Amino acid sequence: SYVLTQPPSVSVAPTKTAKITCGGNNIGANSVHWYQQKAGQAPILVISYDGDRPSGIPERFSGSNSGNTATLTISRVEAGDEADYYCQLWDTSSVVFGGGTRLTVL
Amino acid sequence: QVQLVQSGAEVKKPGASVKVSCKASGYSFTNSDINWVRQATGQGLEWMGWMNPDSGKTGYAQKFQDRVTMTRNTSIGTAYMELSSLDSDDTAVYYCVRTTTFVTPFDYWGQGTQVTVSS
Repeated sequence: SYVLTQPPSVSVAPTKTAKITCGGNNIGANSVHWYQQKAGQAPILVISYDGDRPSGIPERFSGSNSGNTATLTISRVEAGDEADYYCQLWDTSSVVFGGGTRLTVL
Repeated sequence: QVQLVQSGAEVKKPGASVKVSCKASGYSFTNSDINWVRQATGQGLEWMGWMNPDSGKTGYAQKFQDRVTMTRNTSIGTAYMELSSLDSDDTAVYYCVRTTTFVTPFDYWGQGTQVTVSS
């Protein structure tokens, strides 16, 4: 079955840029979606179809997907961005999630 | 606005079954699929399967194939997920999540239902 690999943790200082990667075999051929989950809350969609931002998601959030790596980029990081982030795609008729990345704002 | 409201927390004994409900509002219930995703404490997200409320067609993750049943009542706009033969590893928060169809993102999530399996 398809495997998505994320780093367990990423740390970044406020106002800097955070990049969270999601690795998979030829992942660039798939549409990748990203979710943010803050402590004690349900996840929310922050990036769809590799790089689209749903309504209400700040422009600081962006995404890209090519080759074997999809990337979520958060510019001008704020304390409120501290959360777990998950990548996700559909593989044939089933769903695959990455293991999640804990973003810590220093 | 789209809302998915789930039933309350459950405590079950090993070997029992649990049935979680998910009431949809703010959109046409039969026009979007309902998926179920669970998350054990401190762990990641795990997809369990999907259901098309219009046809009742389902697709289950292989891990849960023998133990999960997803159903719906279209007259009240509610989806259900029943998991049988529970053990302690099934202790988790269970989410219902909307998708338009295959490949589309999980755009709306329920608030989650805590299921605890304990003797």
